[in-house]
Amino acid sequence: DTGVSQNPRHKITKRGQNVTFRCDPISEHNRLYWYRQTLGQGPEFLTYFQNEAQLEKSRLLSDRFSAERPKGSFSTLEIQRTEQGDSAMYLCASSSGARGQETQYFGPGTRLLVL
Amino acid sequence: GNSVTQMEGPVTLSEEAFLTINCTYTATGYPSLFWYVQYPGEGLQLLLKATKADDKGSNKGFEATYRKETTSFHLEKGSVQVSDSAVYFCALSGSGGSYIPTFGRGTSLIVHP
Repeated sequence: DTGVSQNPRHKITKRGQNVTFRCDPISEHNRLYWYRQTLGQGPEFLTYFQNEAQLEKSRLLSDRFSAERPKGSFSTLEIQRTEQGDSAMYLCASSSGARGQETQYFGPGTRLLVL
Repeated sequence: GNSVTQMEGPVTLSEEAFLTINCTYTATGYPSLFWYVQYPGEGLQLLLKATKADDKGSNKGFEATYRKETTSFHLEKGSVQVSDSAVYFCALSGSGGSYIPTFGRGTSLIVHP
């Protein structure tokens, strides 16, 4: 068990560019979550997969954000036409077990800075 | 909707002092409650959890009791160490038909030697 990994760890981009982040969950976990975290705040839910199916998306999630989890393994989060307000830490977490009670295992995050 | 409220930080203590970090929540039904910890430069990790009323979660000398009557899950430790310096997040899950976790904004703990 190597834990949840995320790449890249840091990304600096110019406003208007597209960026893509990758998350590799713990291999036996069927659930995968994406969160956004800004300074002084807790993780804010973005979207959730069970296996390859995207089951929930936050109502706050802009149409510029899209996520995939092909074959129920790794996941990617893409942000199109980035804005300065997208600057944040993007966290991925995976889990399995009884829904609502399961422990989330977090990756180290990808820090995005939009100039 | 669901919400979690934590006490404002930073909380600054001397080593061996008693720690309490308050957490209250708003939710329907009987959610599961969690404390996650984020050490400097690391990702969030579970510290402890409780899945039903009156349960006590414990780990590494930390404890928290699920109090349904006061909708609280306060984190306590009898004697903190410098290595406990971190940000602590209270969270809930499994409320009102939603399994999406809701996190508090975090409380920073700084422990001085």
